[in-house]
Amino acid sequence: DSVMTQTPLSLSVTPGQPASISCKSSQSLLHSDGNTYLYWYLQKPGQSPQLLVYEVSKRFSGVPDRFSGSGSGTDFTLKIGRVEAEDVGVYYCMQSTQFPTFGQGTRLEI
Amino acid sequence: QVQLQESGPGLVKPSQTLSLSCAVSGGSISSAPYYWSWIRQYPGKGLEWIGYMSSSGSTRYNPSLKSRVTISRDTSKNQFSLEMISVTAADTAVYYCARTWDFWGQGILVTVSS
Repeated sequence: DSVMTQTPLSLSVTPGQPASISCKSSQSLLHSDGNTYLYWYLQKPGQSPQLLVYEVSKRFSGVPDRFSGSGSGTDFTLKIGRVEAEDVGVYYCMQSTQFPTFGQGTRLEI
Repeated sequence: QVQLQESGPGLVKPSQTLSLSCAVSGGSISSAPYYWSWIRQYPGKGLEWIGYMSSSGSTRYNPSLKSRVTISRDTSKNQFSLEMISVTAADTAVYYCARTWDFWGQGILVTVSS
């Protein structure tokens, strides 16, 4: 199994300030097909997870460009350029290079 | 836009079978290259992938659940289903269906209790 470890587990950010979440995998997420199947989700209170970023750095349709993903191998980062009130919730990383596993989540508060 | 809606009983007795369905609209479950997943979220908020079915009908399961889980589909209704046998209180969770990995349903809380 690829164990996904997120840090920090909670984050308090002033609106307009940047935020960064780290996700480390216990194994390389580079697939034999050359792709890296690392995703980022935001679960807003009372809602299901919504996709923000797929394959490390590709923003999903409709996701604001203040969200950006980066990384390779075992180390990945989600950055929020300027946090807004609507960004509150729990952020999860997920890999599907091996059988899918999720990080434990990072709670973002304003 | 693809929409998914879970349905099924919210309460299941220990040792019985959990059965859920996921109705899909806005896209066909038989259309490549998509996969259709079941995921659950425990009360403490951890997420666990249960398994998925491809557009051709092949399946893959989480090794930790493989002996108890079956995913099937009804293409005429454009829906896919989850069966989990021999449930215990540890299977209490919100169950989500999703098009791997972009669109998710709203989730259904299933409680295992006598």
